[in-house]
Amino acid sequence: GAVVSQHPSWVICKSGTSVKIECRSLDFQATTMFWYRQFPKQSLMLMATSNEGSKATYEQGVEKDKFLINHASLTLSTLTVTSAHPEDSSFYICSARGGLAGSSYEQYFGPGTRLTVT
Amino acid sequence: SQQGEEDPQALSIQEGENATMNCSYKTSINNLQWYRQNSGRGLVHLILIRSNEREKHSGRLRVTLDTSKKSSSLLITASRAADTASYFCAVSGSARQLTFGSGTQLTVLP
Repeated sequence: GAVVSQHPSWVICKSGTSVKIECRSLDFQATTMFWYRQFPKQSLMLMATSNEGSKATYEQGVEKDKFLINHASLTLSTLTVTSAHPEDSSFYICSARGGLAGSSYEQYFGPGTRLTVT
Repeated sequence: SQQGEEDPQALSIQEGENATMNCSYKTSINNLQWYRQNSGRGLVHLILIRSNEREKHSGRLRVTLDTSKKSSSLLITASRAADTASYFCAVSGSARQLTFGSGTQLTVLP
């Protein structure tokens, strides 16, 4: 099946710094990528949806200036957590889908990135 | 929100027993999917059932879907210790986005 990678798999940063997480589709072109956040023992919550070459669509309650998403190519999307604070510590998971939003193509999930802000 | 609700929240069974998890959702869907997540790891796609299907099998997994009740169930037969994980249902609606349920933590005791 299709493979999605994330880098780094875990990161520890100091409060106030910015962290960039990469999500790559390794063997297919992902026109749509999704970013999720998962707190311990909770479900995945969708943060934003991005289509290649256009601005991301953020879910209600997600600060777009704090969570910068760039989807500049068909195989790479990045999530930058700006001015990170301890409450941003979480497990961030991306997923990628081939085809345009509205297609029935399957979503493939990355392995996740554990962010810890001290 | 059409986020799924799952029950039970936690389930503990003996190896060899069957495990059943249920998922309910609120609005119309195109398909419903089940995922497994081992602690601290990413998601593993288990099975997808479309809105016009009622039952689907994959190995030891059996999924049912009742669109009139807006509910689905996942049955794992002859469970193994390696099945210990969190299981999530996720519904895909008109926007083709996946919305996840609250999850069931399954523990299979050897």
